[in-house]
Amino acid sequence: DGGITQSPKYLFRKEGQNVTLSCEQNLNHDAMYWYRQDPGQGLRLIYYSQIVNDFQKGDIAEGYSVSREKKESFPLTVTSAQKNPTAFYLCASIQATEAFFGQGTRLTVV
Amino acid sequence: AQSVTQLGSHVSVSEGALVLLRCNYSSSVPPYLFWYVQYPNQGLQLLLKYTSAATLVKGINGFEAEFKKSETSFHLTKPSAHMSDAAEYFCAVSLSGGSNYKLTFGKGTLLTVNP
Repeated sequence: DGGITQSPKYLFRKEGQNVTLSCEQNLNHDAMYWYRQDPGQGLRLIYYSQIVNDFQKGDIAEGYSVSREKKESFPLTVTSAQKNPTAFYLCASIQATEAFFGQGTRLTVV
Repeated sequence: AQSVTQLGSHVSVSEGALVLLRCNYSSSVPPYLFWYVQYPNQGLQLLLKYTSAATLVKGINGFEAEFKKSETSFHLTKPSAHMSDAAEYFCAVSLSGGSNYKLTFGKGTLLTVNP
């Protein structure tokens, strides 16, 4: 089945650690996006990439980094510089007028 | 710039009652508009979308929405609520044309359905 796969579903991070969230798609879409979701805040755009080896900052990129070495993969690293990383993270790919979302990763700082 | 405002962070209805979730948008060019539904700890599922064709859009699960340019609105309705409709709903806007389909989301409306 075609779709977006995010892993892991749950992730725990200690203070000062970097963690990487995986996002893979087999839809052959060029554009991929990372959103952060907090209660009552909706979805806020962290980074997006419209083509391999290129990506752009979204509205809340500070403390995050991404790479786009392959069309099907767009991993997100939450660095120690992100002061409040506990949130639900959603990856999406967008083609024409439709976005396809993964099932999300819930990151908790312990 | 584009933005979305969802009026009401929480809406509660009785089973069988009309569901009305409000969305107003701001866009400098003709927009594409979307409604998504999210169940707890899951991703977003597309309910319906407006892409400059018919102004009354029908979606899945009996939902529909009407694009009203004069009111800059795209409200979501369903004639009769079902318990399974309880979820969070997000309105989103994207600029039409071009290659950047960045979606901007509203803050969401949590729908509760009472038996």
